[in-house]
Amino acid sequence: KAGVTQTPRYLIKTRGQQVTLSCSPISGHRSVSWYQQTPGQGLQFLFEYFSETQRNKGNFPGRFSGRQFSNSRSEMNVSTLELGDSALYLCASSPASGADEQYFGPGTRLTVT
Amino acid sequence: GQSLEQPSEVTAVEGAIVQINCTYQTSGFYGLSWYQQHDGGAPTFLSYNALDGLEETGRFSSFLSRSDSYGYLLLQELQMKDSASYFCAVSQDSNYQLIWGAGTKLIIKP
Repeated sequence: KAGVTQTPRYLIKTRGQQVTLSCSPISGHRSVSWYQQTPGQGLQFLFEYFSETQRNKGNFPGRFSGRQFSNSRSEMNVSTLELGDSALYLCASSPASGADEQYFGPGTRLTVT
Repeated sequence: GQSLEQPSEVTAVEGAIVQINCTYQTSGFYGLSWYQQHDGGAPTFLSYNALDGLEETGRFSSFLSRSDSYGYLLLQELQMKDSASYFCAVSQDSNYQLIWGAGTKLIIKP
C-alpha cells in the first residue's frame, strides 16, 4: 500500500498570502488529522476529518481551515499568513478514529517571509 | 487542563538501556501511544498501551500504569540509529484526537 502523501513538500510564501496544502491518506483510511510542528515543539493538533466531516478542531484561529473530499483526500488552508505560521505541517491518516495508530506523511515545510 | 509531561532530553551510551517517562493529566483516558521522529522525518508509530502492564516489541517495550497516570518507553541495546525524538500521546475516550507530549530528544553517545 502506498503511504500518506503530502504536497507540496516545501513552500515559501509572503506574509498576508494564503496557502493550500494537500494530503492523500492511505487507501481505505477514512480519518485524516492535521498537525502543526514548530522546532522544539510537540505536535499541535489542528483538526480531524472523517467521511468529509470535521469531528474535532484544535485551538487555532479561524485563518486555519480544512476540508475532506469523498475520496478521503484532505486539504488545509491558511489565509492571511503570518510569520509565526512558518512550521512543518503534518498530515496523518488512520482507519477509523483519529486516535487510532496514525500514519504520517512526510509533511509540508512552510516558510513565511 | 490536559497535559503530558516528558523529559526534554535524555542522553545514553550505545548498547545501554534507557527509559523515557511520560505522565499525563487528561479528562478521560483510552490509551497511551509512543511515536519516534528522526530529524527531518515524520513521526512513526512505536507502541500502544490501553491496559496496565508491559508491552514488548523487539528492543522496545512500553509500560502503562493507569492508576498512576504514568507510562514509559524502554529502549534496550541502544543503537546510534535510535537517536531521535520520542513522543508520548494520549487518546481520550470522548473525542477523536491524540493529545501529544512535547517530545524527548534521545542523544546516544558511542
